[in-house]
Amino acid sequence: QQQVKQSPQSLIVQKGGISIINCAYENTAFDYFPWYQQFPGKGPALLIAIRPDVSEKKEGRFTISFNKSAKQFSLHIMDSQPGDSATYFCAASAVTGGGNKLTFGTGTQLKVEL
Amino acid sequence: DAGITQSPRHKVTETGTPVTLRCHQTENHRYMYWYRQDPGHGLRLIHYSYGVKDTDKGEVSDGYSVSRSKTEDFLLTLESATSSQTSVYFCAISELGELFFGEGSRLTVL
Repeated sequence: QQQVKQSPQSLIVQKGGISIINCAYENTAFDYFPWYQQFPGKGPALLIAIRPDVSEKKEGRFTISFNKSAKQFSLHIMDSQPGDSATYFCAASAVTGGGNKLTFGTGTQLKVEL
Repeated sequence: DAGITQSPRHKVTETGTPVTLRCHQTENHRYMYWYRQDPGHGLRLIHYSYGVKDTDKGEVSDGYSVSRSKTEDFLLTLESATSSQTSVYFCAISELGELFFGEGSRLTVL
């Protein structure tokens, strides 16, 4: 039972291009949607996150677009750089008094070529 | 970097043997989590803790147990390791919001 579906599984983008990764969720109780970036041999690290009261959030070259009615959200990486080559995970949770138990997508391996 | 230390970082063991992975934090965060990462599955929650001696099951808890006797330490135990438990295990900590992950423990069960 995959509550958060992520696509594509892998992505190759030219330097300077736009990388787009999509996620869809099923649980309408989810109210926190982060994206994590993971480099080989390292743990995931928070990249950017959004809550459902806004439709878009931008931090530098990274933007989350959120569509509550479609239960979808996406990560856009503008002006993609070779240093952005990593695995990206979307996630979702319903933040409660029991902490923040994230449900992750299956990951997208991004490669940015020169 | 968040003060999270996982040990051991790498372990090879045989089927049927017990294994304990340790997560140690210096941030005094209330919540601690154990995830496993497998190709095609992303990260899946095994167990989590919301305080000393307070733990609960996650999505894939079968075959695993945890203990938290001190705020800073969260132990994951495989009572009798199986080949299906070959994985990379990540500990994470949080205070309601952002999760901070350790660098992982790679476990191979032969």
